[in-house]
Amino acid sequence: DAKTTQPNSMESNEEEPVHLPCNHSTISGTDYIHWYRQLPSQGPEYVIHGLTSNVNNRMASLAIAEDRKSSTLILHRATLRDAAVYYCISGAGSYQLTFGKGTKLSVIP
Amino acid sequence: DSGVTQTPKHLITATGQRVTLRCSPRSGDLSVYWYQQSLDQGLQFLIQYYNGEERAKGNILERFSAQQFPDLHSELNLSSLELGDSALYFCASSLVGTGLYGYTFGSGTRLTVV
Repeated sequence: DAKTTQPNSMESNEEEPVHLPCNHSTISGTDYIHWYRQLPSQGPEYVIHGLTSNVNNRMASLAIAEDRKSSTLILHRATLRDAAVYYCISGAGSYQLTFGKGTKLSVIP
Repeated sequence: DSGVTQTPKHLITATGQRVTLRCSPRSGDLSVYWYQQSLDQGLQFLIQYYNGEERAKGNILERFSAQQFPDLHSELNLSSLELGDSALYFCASSLVGTGLYGYTFGSGTRLTVV
C-alpha cells in the first residue's frame, strides 16, 4: 500500500465545515483512496473512497488533487458525533487495507 | 448494527490460557479479515480468509491461528496468552477478496490477559 501522511490531530467547531488533509505522494495510477473513521470504542467505519474524480455521499465529500498526490475529506457540518479518528488509506487494490495513525478530530460545542 | 457480528464482546483470561474469538461476516460477504488494535500499535492486520481459504497474512504470531468455515464464519484462536496480547480484536468482512470496495467492521472483542 502507498504510504499516507495525515496530521495527528485537528479541531473544529460544531456546525462548521471540516477539511481533513491526506498526502499520498507515492500513489500509483490504479490505487484508490479510502477514508475510514473510528469512533471511540467502536470498530472502524467506511466513509468514502475514490480514484480520480471528486466523490460525494451522505456522510462526506472527497476532493482529490489533479495529480492525485493528495486528497481532502470534507465534512460539511461537523457534529459532536463526528469526533473520531479518521484514517486515509491508499493502495486498496492489495488484499488488505493498511491503517496508519490517522487524524484525531475533536469537535468543540 | 454493521452486519458483522463478533463474540464475545469482552474476555478476561489468565496468562498461558487459550481463547477463541468468533466472527460472522455480513451476509453475502466472502472475505474475512482480522485486525488487532492495541494502544501503542494502532490497527494491525493479522490475517485474511476468502471463501474458506487463507488469502493473506500480516503480523500474526505463531501462537495465533485462524480459520474460515464453510458457512463463512471465522474463528481466531489465541494460545499461550501473554499480557501483551491484551487488545481489541476486530473482524471485518468484504464482498470480494480485496479492500477495494470497502470493509465492514464488527464492534470488536476486548481481550484482557491478567
